[in-house]
Amino acid sequence: GNSVTQMEGPVTLSEEAFLTINCTYTATGYPSLFWYVQYPGEGLQLLLKATKADDKGSNKGFEATYRKETTSFHLEKGSVQVSDSAVYFCALTVFQGAQKLVFGQGTRLTINP
Amino acid sequence: ETGVTQTPRHLVMGMTNKKSLKCEQHLGHNAMYWYKQSAKKPLELMFVYNFKEQTENNSVPSRFSPECPNSSHLFLHLHTLQPEDSALYLCASSQDLASGFYEQFFGPGTRLTVL
Repeated sequence: GNSVTQMEGPVTLSEEAFLTINCTYTATGYPSLFWYVQYPGEGLQLLLKATKADDKGSNKGFEATYRKETTSFHLEKGSVQVSDSAVYFCALTVFQGAQKLVFGQGTRLTINP
Repeated sequence: ETGVTQTPRHLVMGMTNKKSLKCEQHLGHNAMYWYKQSAKKPLELMFVYNFKEQTENNSVPSRFSPECPNSSHLFLHLHTLQPEDSALYLCASSQDLASGFYEQFFGPGTRLTVL
């Protein structure tokens, strides 16, 4: 089946620190991979995506590279800000008659000034 | 209003009550979704509608009853819920379910507490 595993949270960092949130997946077929972010009191927003192996998704200083050989899609940012505090979800979709998103459990990130 | 809106934002109900959650999207989309977000668990897809037709029921108990009267509105009718149903219920929409990925846009959710 299709599943996504994220690193356990919560993650607490100081401002300007380097961020990595690990994500690995199992999937039948050829998945597309996504990172969603959920700020306090809001719904999920698409942060970035990659649709094929070796693609790099990027947005707002965040990056993630689709690694087929390691079935991973780790999220990175070189210098985090307090405003990056949120819950981050890794997800995949495989088109099997219809698209369906499968999410990881989410990782809560807190950035201290 | 823009994007996806959900009402109410917070709901407290007893196990014998009947209530409804409402979702409205202002994006011209044709597919709508209900998700359940519980603490320390992945988001669970509950129902999917495409052009008002239900295409997915992810083994959801019958005490949850969805309704999609048109492509812009989605309801979740609740009756005789259990305390373990307490969660954040998220609505989402996307262009449709055709081939290729269409980004899903999420509402802010309804925080449900069942006493």
